Amino acid sequence: AQSVSQHNHHVILSEAASLELGCNYSYGGTVNLFWYVQYPGQHLQLLLKYFSGDPLVKGIKGFEAEFIKSKFSFNLRKPSVQWSDTAEYFCAVSQIQGAQKLVFGQGTRLTINP
Amino acid sequence: GAGVSQTPSNKVTEKGKYVELRCDPISGHTALYWYRQSLGQGPEFLIYFQGTGAADDSGLPNDRFFAVRPEGSVSTLKIQRTERGDSAVYLCASSLMAAAVDTQYFGPGTRLTVL
Repeated sequence: AQSVSQHNHHVILSEAASLELGCNYSYGGTVNLFWYVQYPGQHLQLLLKYFSGDPLVKGIKGFEAEFIKSKFSFNLRKPSVQWSDTAEYFCAVSQIQGAQKLVFGQGTRLTINP
Repeated sequence: GAGVSQTPSNKVTEKGKYVELRCDPISGHTALYWYRQSLGQGPEFLIYFQGTGAADDSGLPNDRFFAVRPEGSVSTLKIQRTERGDSAVYLCASSLMAAAVDTQYFGPGTRLTVL
């Protein structure tokens, strides 16, 4: 069965700091990879996704993620965070065939101090 | 346009009671997913509909849980004989098709509390 592990449960940074959130997955086959974000009081929304091709994926709001197949990792990065990036971030995977049910990690709560 | 909507936003019930949670997907979306999110965890898949049929219900925890989508649009998640462990936020998502390229759009969720 697929599983997703996010190592950081709560990350606290100051504005303008660089961000990297870890995500590792366990699955023997080819997967699609996602990062979702949930801002306070809002719905889960897609930040970025990887299907194939360039392993460096750029998403909204200056976020990017790099797929490293050999490490089963899909870490999320942002060079300079803003207070408005305060949110919960979820990494997810799905199989490339069939129903696109998402398997989520437990989430990382990011707090940005102004 | 309108996003995915879910009603009610909050539901408090007593152990043993029956509840129904409703999901209105984005118009024209054929794929609909239900997830459950417990406190401090990521969402967990429950069931997936393609059109009117439940194409994958492997995530339903037991036979107390059932979901329908009779006309291929609105879906209802039904929980019989609720237990305290059923307390969670129930999320609905829809996508245009069930292809990987189709983004799943999530609703605000229904927070279910079983006393």
